[in-house]
Amino acid sequence: DAEITQSPRHKITETGRQVTLACHQTWNHNNMFWYRQDLGHGLRLIHYSYGVQDTNKGEVSDGYSVSRSNTEDLPLTLESAASSQTSVYFCASSVSPGGSPLHFGNGTRLTVT
Amino acid sequence: GENVEQHPSTLSVQEGDSAVIKCTYSDSASNYFPWYKQELGKGPQLIIDIRSNVGEKKDQRIAVTLNKTAKHFSLHITETQPEDSAVYFCAASKMRANRDDKIIFGKGTRLHILP
Repeated sequence: DAEITQSPRHKITETGRQVTLACHQTWNHNNMFWYRQDLGHGLRLIHYSYGVQDTNKGEVSDGYSVSRSNTEDLPLTLESAASSQTSVYFCASSVSPGGSPLHFGNGTRLTVT
Repeated sequence: GENVEQHPSTLSVQEGDSAVIKCTYSDSASNYFPWYKQELGKGPQLIIDIRSNVGEKKDQRIAVTLNKTAKHFSLHITETQPEDSAVYFCAASKMRANRDDKIIFGKGTRLHILP
């Protein structure tokens, strides 16, 4: 069965360090998304990609970057981790940009100390 | 841009009773409305969706209704069971999305099913 996997599931890092969260999907979807989930804010879009070499900023993109070198992977990098980036991060993919279901991974819980 | 409001933020219902979660959206061009269920420690999963050419859709104990004129849609769960306890998210988007169109989520409803 096709799936979307995130790693690691849990990560603790120190302020100022660079951190990369992995996302890998076997759906062969062109469209991939990164969200962060925080109490009281729901799911907020960080970055998204509509295909290889395509990346776009979402509503909370400051301090984050992504790259898309193949269809399967969209790694999320925190350039210099800040305590405000402590959150649960979800990766998702879909067959179309807007009118089809999102398939989510099970998340990465990131703590920045 | 699109804005989605979801109510209530928390809902407790007795097992066997019905639960209703409501969402409103602001962009009349939105025409795809999915609902996601998130269980503890997992990512959200699609449970039902509706497109703007229909007013209601049912799948066993779950139904979604859409009122395009009022720009609101609702999730109805009947005969609730303990496994329905979770966080539910509504969302709105456009089926023919361009680069600037985003999938916008409500802030979620935590549903508790009381024994």
